[in-house]
Amino acid sequence: AQSVTQPDIHITVSEGASLELRCNYSYGATPYLFWYVQSPGQGLQLLLKYFSGDTLVQGIKGFEAEFKRSQSSFNLRKPSVHWSDAAEYFCAVATPQGGSEKLVFGKGTKLTVNP
Amino acid sequence: DAMVIQNPRYQVTQFGKPVTLSCSQTLNHNVMYWYQQKSSQAPKLLFHYYDKDFNNEADTPDNFQSRRPNTSFCFLDIRSPGLGDAAMYLCATSREWGGTDTQYFGPGTRLTVL
Repeated sequence: AQSVTQPDIHITVSEGASLELRCNYSYGATPYLFWYVQSPGQGLQLLLKYFSGDTLVQGIKGFEAEFKRSQSSFNLRKPSVHWSDAAEYFCAVATPQGGSEKLVFGKGTKLTVNP
Repeated sequence: DAMVIQNPRYQVTQFGKPVTLSCSQTLNHNVMYWYQQKSSQAPKLLFHYYDKDFNNEADTPDNFQSRRPNTSFCFLDIRSPGLGDAAMYLCATSREWGGTDTQYFGPGTRLTVL
C-alpha cells in the first residue's frame, strides 16, 4: 500500500523568506501526487497536483512542487512567504487506475510565519 | 460561495449518545466522502458514496454509518460515540471516483465526546 511521509511537523519562517516543505512517498510506481492546504477553521484546499509530464508543477497562491522519482519526493516550494500562508499543509498520494485510488494523506506540516 | 457545507461546525456529545453530522454540496458531484482527522494525524478515509453506492473502508469501525438520501446531502452517524471518536470530521466531494479527480472539502465538524 502507498504511504506518505512529511518529515517536518512544524516549520517557522519569516515573512518574505523562501519555503520548502518536504514530502516522500512509498509506492512501486509513480503515483498521483497532491498538495493540500488547510487554513485555520477551513477545509482542505488543493494547491497543486502531479500526474505525469513536466516534473515541476505550478499551483495556486504562488506555490510550486517538483517530482523527483529518484528520491521518491514531491517537495512544495514558495520563493517568498506571506503571512497569509500560515496554515497546515498536507501531501497526499493516490494510485493510478487499477490501484486503490483513494487519497492517502501525510500527517501534515504546520507552517508558522513570523512578521 | 460555499460549495461543501458541513453542519454543525462544532458538536459536543456524551459518551454513548448517538450523533449525526451533516454535509451538503452545491457542486452536483457524484462522489461524497467522509474523513476522520484526529489531532496531529492525517485525514483518514472512512467511506465514500458513488451516487447511491456505499463503499466502506475495511478498517472503519461498525460504529460509523452513513446515509445519502439524495445527491446533495450525506450524513455521518456515530451510533455510540466513544472518547476515541473525538476528532475533526471532513466531508469532501468529487465529480468522479478515482485518484485524478480533485476533491473539494468542507470546513469540517469538530466532535467532542464528554
